[in-house]
Amino acid sequence: QITLKESGPTLVKPTQTLTLTCTFSGFSLSTNGVGVGWIRQPPGKALEWLALIYWNDDKRYSPSLKSRLTITKDTSKNQVVLTMSNMDPVDTGTYYCAHRPNLGAFDPWGQGTLVTVSS
Amino acid sequence: EIVLTQSPGTLSLSPGERATLSCRASQSVSSSYLAWYQQKPGQAPRLLIYGASSRATGFPDRFSGSGSGTDFTLTISRLEPEDFAVYYCQQYGSSPLTFGQGTKLEIK
Repeated sequence: QITLKESGPTLVKPTQTLTLTCTFSGFSLSTNGVGVGWIRQPPGKALEWLALIYWNDDKRYSPSLKSRLTITKDTSKNQVVLTMSNMDPVDTGTYYCAHRPNLGAFDPWGQGTLVTVSS
Repeated sequence: EIVLTQSPGTLSLSPGERATLSCRASQSVSSSYLAWYQQKPGQAPRLLIYGASSRATGFPDRFSGSGSGTDFTLTISRLEPEDFAVYYCQQYGSSPLTFGQGTKLEIK
């Protein structure tokens, strides 16, 4: 059974850097074709893909946020870390990580973590 | 970037009725790499359909997906009370991955 869980601060101040950790089980990020992605959702709004990291350390980012995002993996710890710099109140929302098998759709997703950006 | 446009924004129907949700892409979706997700309030999205028409584990056969190229449809043949939720389409064939803005299926 594959599970993922996001962790990190619930409140960050404007201009700070957000660091989120996705801890997963039930698969290995060293297995060919596997990836882990981050997706966010502002309150009451749609889903927005942020970043992906693959088993071979290939990394992809949303073009609109690329300058602010960094995604890394620690295969031995079964973790993926996303950092987002220069946080703004518009970045408030629920941040999800999700498993991406063999270049397929995201399945499953973590429960999400709500991040509020406020001074 | 492939832009996905979902319609309608809100669909009001009664249990037992048929629901038809649309997802239109701004350019052809590679190899029908089109997914649908179901999201209920306070929950994470859950994969419902992948490859445009393959149903994910745990969903009954009243859910079906169809389409190719730029036009895709999610159909729920007979709505059950637990089907009222928000549905998102997503293309995962080319980067950047993109989602539609969602269709809210509400009880009439």
